[in-house]
Amino acid sequence: DQQVKQNSPSLSVQEGRISILNCDYTNSMFDYFLWYKKYPAEGPTFLISISSIKDKNEDGRFTVFLNKSAKHLSLHIVPSQPGDSAVYFCAASFRTSYDKVIFGPGTSLSVIP
Amino acid sequence: EAQVTQNPRYLITVTGKKLTVTCSQNMNHEYMSWYRQDPGLGLRQIYYSMNVEVTDKGDVPEGYKVSRKEKRNFPLILESPSPNQTSLYFCASSSGAKSQFFGPGTRLTVL
Repeated sequence: DQQVKQNSPSLSVQEGRISILNCDYTNSMFDYFLWYKKYPAEGPTFLISISSIKDKNEDGRFTVFLNKSAKHLSLHIVPSQPGDSAVYFCAASFRTSYDKVIFGPGTSLSVIP
Repeated sequence: EAQVTQNPRYLITVTGKKLTVTCSQNMNHEYMSWYRQDPGLGLRQIYYSMNVEVTDKGDVPEGYKVSRKEKRNFPLILESPSPNQTSLYFCASSSGAKSQFFGPGTRLTVL
């Protein structure tokens, strides 16, 4: 049973528009959430994170929103660029054990020029 | 340059032939982990280590062993590989500052 879910395996967006990637989780004990980006033939790279005490965190074109009551988070990319085309993984961890990380299955984003 | 290195990057082997995938980091990180990535399943944690000589099982530890004799190295050992261990493997490290640095991956095929 997956504790972190990304129900959209793929997403296509026009360059310049907003990309919204969604993630749902089932374990209410998660208190730290991260997004990683992965290009083919490379390892994942950290993108942005959010603590459960916040509902929004912004870093340049990337914003993560957290809705704890719905156990849902989303990553917004504005404006989307062709270089953003990659697989995005949502991940969750616990404050008491940051080394125990649960990843979602990933969403493949294609930004069309 | 801060990095996590893995070797080999690609490996084709046969069932039952013991193999080791090495992982090394140059950032003096305490935490290291091994993951496997499979289609539709994302990254699943195999083992992790909080420091030298301290390791613990992740979600899918069966068929794998690890050791952490030095802070910088965290090898993954498959004593008797089987075809269901064919996968893409990633090593990662962190300082406990919540985000991890990942290696480039090792693609393993067990025939």
